[in-house]
Amino acid sequence: EPEVTQTPSHQVTQMGQEVILRCVPISNHLYFYWYRQILGQKVEFLVSFYNNEISEKSEIFDDQFSVERPDGSNFTLKIRSTKLEDSAMYFCASRPSHNTGELFFGEGSRLTVL
Amino acid sequence: AQRVTQPEKLLSVFKGAPVELKCNYSYSGSPELFWYVQYSRQRLQLLLRHISRESIKGFTADLNKGETSFHLKKPFAQEEDSAMYYCALSGRRRTSYDKVIFGPGTSLSVIP
Repeated sequence: EPEVTQTPSHQVTQMGQEVILRCVPISNHLYFYWYRQILGQKVEFLVSFYNNEISEKSEIFDDQFSVERPDGSNFTLKIRSTKLEDSAMYFCASRPSHNTGELFFGEGSRLTVL
Repeated sequence: AQRVTQPEKLLSVFKGAPVELKCNYSYSGSPELFWYVQYSRQRLQLLLRHISRESIKGFTADLNKGETSFHLKKPFAQEEDSAMYYCALSGRRRTSYDKVIFGPGTSLSVIP
């Protein structure tokens, strides 16, 4: 069964460094999402992406964040200058079409900012 | 404003006992409600959705629009049901769905 895959599974970085988290959504899906979960807190929406552009973003998704789908398969989340409070689990998700609200999640990338 | 609440952070029940995980929501339009589950060391996955009205792994959930609730129930808990359960909501538009927003989650522990 096709799955959403994410890399790396865990990344440790120094404050102020740039980080890129990678996701390969399920191949025929049309909508793509990033969520994050700070330890002990809820799963929070960051951004949705459709038709090669951002369709919605939360107030968490400030100028330090960007997303790209550079080659039609990868979907990346970049954090330009990481802060301590960016430490979290980042989940990528995809959705097949506009006919369903169901999301298919990756296993997550744990980001630790020191 | 869209909001999903789950009042219990932790819930422990004995094997064979009934279980109910509570979920309430607020949404001004027509939402679709979901329950997602995350077993230990696994990814978040859909358990069930209100529009399908089906029972998955013995779990059911009924949307009560009057009480704006979508509680998850199972008559006899099993040890393998131990997991983190998230209630979630997606706004339904005429031709598509909004982003999914999640409640804070309830950790269910089934005691043998």
